[in-house]
Amino acid sequence: NAGVTQTPKFQVLKTGQSMTLQCAQDMNHNSMYWYRQDPGMGLRLIYYSASEGTTDKGEVPNGYNVSRLNKREFSLRLESAAPSQTSVYFCASSILRGAGNEQFFGPGTRLTVL
Amino acid sequence: QQQVKQSPQSLIVQKGGISIINCAYENTAFDYFPWYQQFPGKGPALLIAIRPDVSEKKEGRFTISFNKSAKQFSLHIMDSQPGDSATYFCAASVRNLIFGKGTKLSVKP
Repeated sequence: NAGVTQTPKFQVLKTGQSMTLQCAQDMNHNSMYWYRQDPGMGLRLIYYSASEGTTDKGEVPNGYNVSRLNKREFSLRLESAAPSQTSVYFCASSILRGAGNEQFFGPGTRLTVL
Repeated sequence: QQQVKQSPQSLIVQKGGISIINCAYENTAFDYFPWYQQFPGKGPALLIAIRPDVSEKKEGRFTISFNKSAKQFSLHIMDSQPGDSATYFCAASVRNLIFGKGTKLSVKP
């Protein structure tokens, strides 16, 4: 049981290049999320998918697109990378249990845009 | 608009001491308040969580205290250990999580 996996772990892009960050979970969770983490800013939600076939914008969606390929996979695409998108990107999936909607995070992708 | 304010930004505690991290929120519709722990180079992991109908929840050395009238909640780490050194995030949600900006805890041996 790998949990939430993300590829790649590290990536360097030049301004204007495009790339797709991949995320997969093997916990049969319905909901999946993409966050970015910047120093001193906490985690900010980019996009989320409450269930297979649906996606919605979060707090900071500009410059990103997502695809919920199936129940397991949720990808994040940067069409034209900008230096402001230099960040650590985390994918998460969630299950409703205990006190609420418990989210499980992947190990992150460190992206640098030059 | 920052909906969850977390303090302090950083905290240094001696081994065996009590670490206290505070959060305040504005939206009274929030109904779930988790704390996440993050080690360098790793993703955040759920530590403990509470709902607003409970004033305190304890799991081992970790306790959440919740004050609904003041719209504040805090994490207490008893008998702090060097292995507790990490960044801690509070969060709140109605539907999606809103995170505080984090507190970097260092526990000195």
